[in-house]
Amino acid sequence: ETGVTQTPRHLVMGMTNKKSLKCEQHLGHNAMYWYKQSAKKPLELMFVYNFKEQTENNSVPSRFSPECPNSSHLFLHLHTLQPEDSALYLCASSQRAFRDAFGYTFGSGTRLTVV
Amino acid sequence: DQQVKQNSPSLSVQEGRISILNCDYTNSMFDYFLWYKKYPAEGPTFLISISSIKDKNEDGRFTVFLNKSAKHLSLHIVPSQPGDSAVYFCAAISETSGSRLTFGEGTQLTVNP
Repeated sequence: ETGVTQTPRHLVMGMTNKKSLKCEQHLGHNAMYWYKQSAKKPLELMFVYNFKEQTENNSVPSRFSPECPNSSHLFLHLHTLQPEDSALYLCASSQRAFRDAFGYTFGSGTRLTVV
Repeated sequence: DQQVKQNSPSLSVQEGRISILNCDYTNSMFDYFLWYKKYPAEGPTFLISISSIKDKNEDGRFTVFLNKSAKHLSLHIVPSQPGDSAVYFCAAISETSGSRLTFGEGTQLTVNP
């Protein structure tokens, strides 16, 4: 399988639940990103990992906890979320952090609903 | 402070006609601009880009124009096809700001047969 794969595609969780989103890339890229897309808003960068090291945390609340065990895998651990956290969460990868001439390769996203 | 703005949330055109999607930015340090296309239930995919040293880049039916003095760029699709119906995101990048890729809100393009 090639490209960037995200699981699950859809997730409904209660505010007291703990869940994790998974992202996997088979492109040999060294940088991975989490983005949040809310309705009628720009894609918001959440976290950046470059060679497994977190290089950016864009003031994301601590109820979102990323993990990057290797350059191919990225997780987003979720706990005690709020209804306003409901959104499409997109994972992306690139050859190196940011300065990639053709931008990023995105996954299809996880549609998260917090009830 | 939204640095990249797409003021038209939606655009509807007839098949065969030209689609023009617009994007404005405020950060003069942006030096590279990209357009992404997103179908429902899929992630955005890269479409076309332009460096700030150019004012036009063409790839098949897609052309991006950059007007640095106006801090404005546009994506032209001609002729438009029903398969072009998607959300189009404008994005900008600047090495001096940590090379963060900053997106606009997106414009939903609908091409009617």
